[in-house]
Parts: sequence; structure tokens; C-alpha cells
Amino acid sequence: AQTVTQSQPEMSVQEAETVTLSCTYDTSESDYYLFWYKQPPSRQMILVIRQEAYKQQNATENRFSVNFQKAAKSFSLKISDSQLGDAAMYFCAYKGFGNEKLTFGTGTRLTIIP
Amino acid sequence: GAGVSQSPSNKVTEKGKDVELRCDPISGHTALYWYRQSLGQGLEFLIYFQGNSAPDKSGLPSDRFSAERTGGSVSTLTIQRTQQEDSAVYLCASSLASGAQETQYFGPGTRLLVL
Repeated sequence: AQTVTQSQPEMSVQEAETVTLSCTYDTSESDYYLFWYKQPPSRQMILVIRQEAYKQQNATENRFSVNFQKAAKSFSLKISDSQLGDAAMYFCAYKGFGNEKLTFGTGTRLTIIP
Repeated sequence: GAGVSQSPSNKVTEKGKDVELRCDPISGHTALYWYRQSLGQGLEFLIYFQGNSAPDKSGLPSDRFSAERTGGSVSTLTIQRTQQEDSAVYLCASSLASGAQETQYFGPGTRLLVL
């Protein structure tokens, strides 16, 4: 079974600085998708960024980028120029082919310091 | 367009009572998922519906949990004889189709508290 591990329960960063959230996963599959979701206090999970495992190029969405290391099974999220609105729980998730469910890590609570 | 909606937003019930949680997926989305988020935990998959196919119930924690999806749209998650350990946020998601490449869009969840 696939597992997703987020080893940082909490992180904090100064406004306008850069922060990196860690995620590792375990799988025997070669093709899969990885996601980062953001969950603000409103509870609604919002997709931040996704990465296809067969793509070597790291995904980027504005201030958000990933460092995908397939051999190491690592998928970290970098947030540049942190803003107050980035404060939330961040969840790393895995989805394999032939399996419709998302497997989530336990999350990292990100605090932005003004 | 409208996103995934869920009702009620919050539900408080007494141990032993039955509860129903509702999910309205994004219009046109054929796949629908239920997840449970317990305090301090990640999301745990419960059940998945795709079109008219038989649902994947592999994540349901006990036979007190059931779900249905009527007309390929609205879904109801029912918990019978609720227990205190059922207290959690129940999140619904939908996607345009099934498949690993499809992004799941989440609703705001229902927070259930069993006293």
C-alpha cells in the first residue's frame, strides 16, 4: 500500500520569505500523480499544484513550485514571497493508476509571521 | 461555476443516533468521493462513485457507514448508531471523470460532533 509522510507538523516563515514543505512517499508503482492541497480555516481543500511522475520537469504555479525527486520518492513544495494568505494546513497527496482514491499525508501547518 | 457543496456545515448529535450528510458535486462531474478527516489526521478515503458503476466501498470503517448517489449527482453519506469516534470532518470531492490524471475538487466539509 502507498504511504505519504509529512515530517513537519508545523512550519513558520516571515512574510515575503521562502519556505519549503517536505513530503516523502512510498510506492512500487512507476506511474502516478502527486498533489499539494491547501486547507485554510474554512476547511475547503484547494489544489495548489500537481506533478505527473513521468514528467521530469518540476511543476510550477506562480509562487509555488515543487522539487520532485522520483528516485528518492520525495516531493517538496516551495512557496516563494510568502503572503499572509498562504497561512493554512498543507497536505501532500498521492494517486496511482487504477486506484481512484487520494492517499494523504498528515499535513503541515504553515504560519506566516508579519 | 458553482463548486462542490455540502450540508449541513456542522452537525451535533447524540451517541446512538443516525445522521445523514449531503454532497452536491460540481455539475457534469461523474466521479464522487467521500473522505473523513479526524482531528490532527490527514484525510482517510471512505467511498468512491463513478457513473453507474458499483461504488468502491473499501474505505468504509464499519457496516454502520453507507452511502448512495442518486441519479449520478447528489450523494448522501449515512452513519447509523453514531459513536464518539465518528466525530470528524467529512469531506466530499468530485472530478470530471475517473482516472489518476483527474483532479479532485473538494467541498467545505461537514463537521460532525457526536456527544
